[in-house]
Amino acid sequence: GIQVEQSPPDLILQEGANSTLRCNFSDSVNNLQWFHQNPWGQLINLFYIPSGTKQNGRLSATTVATERYSLLYISSSQTTDSGVYFCAVGRDNFNKFYFGSGTKLNVKP
Amino acid sequence: DTGVSQDPRHKITKRGQNVTFRCDPISEHNRLYWYRQTLGQGPEFLTYFQNEAQLEKSRLLSDRFSAERPKGSFSTLEIQRTEQGDSAMYLCASSHVIDSYGYTFGSGTRLTVV
Repeated sequence: GIQVEQSPPDLILQEGANSTLRCNFSDSVNNLQWFHQNPWGQLINLFYIPSGTKQNGRLSATTVATERYSLLYISSSQTTDSGVYFCAVGRDNFNKFYFGSGTKLNVKP
Repeated sequence: DTGVSQDPRHKITKRGQNVTFRCDPISEHNRLYWYRQTLGQGPEFLTYFQNEAQLEKSRLLSDRFSAERPKGSFSTLEIQRTEQGDSAMYLCASSHVIDSYGYTFGSGTRLTVV
């Protein structure tokens, strides 16, 4: 399978701060998604981004597929951003994902 | 459409008992996936269906695990003779074959084997 490494594993921020989460993967992929898992366990799809850059409000993501990494930027963090952020990659007709171990984010008021 | 539904949300069972979980996908989605997530880890793929056909099974899915998707609608995941190592969150997701961005997860079933 594809190895996915995420960093940092844990991150504590003061509300209003910015952060960058990184995802490295070991093989070429044709699918990459960022998910947010809230404290109740629900996984929410943030971005589908196999390459390029996308922005959605305070969140943006960039994937450099040729160098096998993706970055998730969170600006002006809020307490509701707390949770675990997962990078998931896939290939072969989108049939399954390989997940990293996640970055656990705690935003303090 | 209320998204992907999983039932039950929590299940506590004694070692050696059988358990069955249910997943109802988004109605227009023809792909359905099962994942398992242990504490502090990302989800791990177990199996997936396209319509009623089970197209791939992970090595994680031992002989004690069986999944079905009759008529290509809801799916069940059964674990026979549960072991303490089966304790985990079992997540179901669905998508449409031509739209991977619509990969939607349910809230999961948390299994505790005592």
